[in-house]
Amino acid sequence: EAEVAQSPRYKITEKSQAVAFWCDPISGHATLYWYRQILGQGPELLVQFQDESVVDDSQLPKDRFSAERLKGVDSTLKIQPAELGDSAMYLCASSHQGWYGYTFGSGTRLTVV
Amino acid sequence: QQQVKQSPQSLIVQKGGISIINCAYENTAFDYFPWYQQFPGKGPALLIAIRPDVSEKKEGRFTISFNKSAKQFSLHIMDSQPGDSATYFCAASIGGNDMRFGAGTRLTVKP
Repeated sequence: EAEVAQSPRYKITEKSQAVAFWCDPISGHATLYWYRQILGQGPELLVQFQDESVVDDSQLPKDRFSAERLKGVDSTLKIQPAELGDSAMYLCASSHQGWYGYTFGSGTRLTVV
Repeated sequence: QQQVKQSPQSLIVQKGGISIINCAYENTAFDYFPWYQQFPGKGPALLIAIRPDVSEKKEGRFTISFNKSAKQFSLHIMDSQPGDSATYFCAASIGGNDMRFGAGTRLTVKP
């Protein structure tokens, strides 16, 4: 069964350092999403890509977060500088044209110390 | 950001019992209502979904009931099993975009 790949699985970083997460969606899925899930809460959308273009980044804290999907395939989410409140699970999901269901990866658990 | 309210926060059910989780939404433009199941350390996995033109959808032991006028929908898990113990999220989206999730319900099924 096709999966959304994410790395690393776990990341511990110090406050004010830079951190990056990588996502490889299911082959052929044009739409890619980054979500943040704080422990005990539901996922919240950070950014949505359609191919290489950003469709929605209204909830992305642009002063410290950036996301790119240069060739319309894999994607990177970066935080610089990281803050204590950024500790969360960062989930990537993808979907293909005309299908409303998202397939999520296993996420990257970020701990900022 | 949250436009979908989910209850209860946690639920304990005996094996063989019925688990019921409820959600309410605000935005009448939502046209897709999925339920996701999440195990510890894993991402959410799509369980079952419904569109607002039907009032009920059943897949195996899982049923979604949808009440458009009340802007509510619920997940029923029949014959609950210990393997169903997980966190369940309801969600809603418009045309598959900008999926909004509820806060989650932690289900424990006791053997």
